[in-house]
Amino acid sequence: NAGVTQTPKFQVLKTGQSMTLQCAQDMNHEYMSWYRQDPGMGLRLIHYSVGAGITDQGEVPNGYNVSRSTTEDFPLRLLSAAPSQTSVYFCATSGLAGVNEQFFGPGTRLTVL
Amino acid sequence: GQSLEQPSEVTAVEGAIVQINCTYQTSGFYGLSWYQQHDGGAPTFLSYNALDGLEETGRFSSFLSRSDSYGYLLLQELQMKDSASYFCASSGGGADGLTFGKGTHLIIQP
Repeated sequence: NAGVTQTPKFQVLKTGQSMTLQCAQDMNHEYMSWYRQDPGMGLRLIHYSVGAGITDQGEVPNGYNVSRSTTEDFPLRLLSAAPSQTSVYFCATSGLAGVNEQFFGPGTRLTVL
Repeated sequence: GQSLEQPSEVTAVEGAIVQINCTYQTSGFYGLSWYQQHDGGAPTFLSYNALDGLEETGRFSSFLSRSDSYGYLLLQELQMKDSASYFCASSGGGADGLTFGKGTHLIIQP
């Protein structure tokens, strides 16, 4: 089992460009989430989903969109990239143990110029 | 809302014991989790305390006191590979994810 996978590992964008960060899991977990991690800021929740067809906003949702058409995939879309979105993005899932025990993907390092 | 405070950096000696503290202020609280993150890596789950008291998992233990809004992670028999950042995190009981502290960078000296 691959667990939680994220693509790409690294990405450089210019201001105003759009892109989609991919997240896939083979753990059959209903709950999936996206966090961003900035130096000295810890991890902050962007969006989350409790199952296919259901998404909701976290602490810092502005500038990001998500959708959940399948249990396995939870892509994060940047509509018009800004330098403030330069960060490391982590996708995470959790199963029956609840949100307190989350499994993180390897992360995507995004730089917006 | 929730906020969690932890020291930014702790230094310890290989083979020793170190305690990383976490205090929290929350409008709803269901438990305290701990995660480890090595430089350049992803966070990995270490432990979760839903109830007051000590939870032990090998060399790592975690403690929670709800009355004091306080918890800690205890690492014993420190090894160089334990050099990492450690995050406490809490949930409000719903499905809306975790709120993380800013992390404690653990430096281990030989």
